[in-house]
Amino acid sequence: GNSVTQMEGPVTLSEEAFLTINCTYTATGYPSLFWYVQYPGEGLQLLLKATKADDKGSNKGFEATYRKETTSFHLEKGSVQVSDSAVYFCALSSLGGGADGLTFGKGTHLIIQP
Amino acid sequence: SAVISQKPSRDICQRGTSLTIQCQVDSQVTMMFWYRQQPGQSLTLIATANQGSEATYESGFVIDKFPISRPNLTFSTLTVSNLSPEDSSIYLCSVRGFTTNEKLFFGSGTQLSVL
Repeated sequence: GNSVTQMEGPVTLSEEAFLTINCTYTATGYPSLFWYVQYPGEGLQLLLKATKADDKGSNKGFEATYRKETTSFHLEKGSVQVSDSAVYFCALSSLGGGADGLTFGKGTHLIIQP
Repeated sequence: SAVISQKPSRDICQRGTSLTIQCQVDSQVTMMFWYRQQPGQSLTLIATANQGSEATYESGFVIDKFPISRPNLTFSTLTVSNLSPEDSSIYLCSVRGFTTNEKLFFGSGTQLSVL
């Protein structure tokens, strides 16, 4: 079956530090990959996605590259801000047409200190 | 984008009772899903809510425990029945629209605590 593994949290960084949150996956076929973010008191929001190998998703300064050879989709940001504090979920969808839901990782709680 | 209103946002229930959670979307959507997020765990898909027919449940989830309704393309309910402390979780509604095929929108969740 499908599975997503992401680094355990919480991850605590200082403002302007470089961020990497690791995500690896197991899936049959050619999944689409996603990063969702959940800010305190809010629902999950799609942060970025990639639908095929070597695609790079980017949004709000965050980037992630779909690496089929290493089955990874690591989230990076060059300079984090306090407002980036949230829980980040890596996820995959194994059906291209999206008929089913997603398989999520456990989430990584990111804390940015001023 | 779809705007989702999920109610209640939180509740505290007694063992043996039931809680019904509502999910209202501001536009018609193709797919509606219900997820559970247990403390310290990932989101787990409970079921797909099908309009006008019985929901499709994932392995480990049954209709008697998690009855779901979806009377139209903008509304669904999830009931968690015969509550036990193990049901204490966050329950999330999510939807997929007609035009954004792979993008899921999420409600803000319902935090359930069972005493």
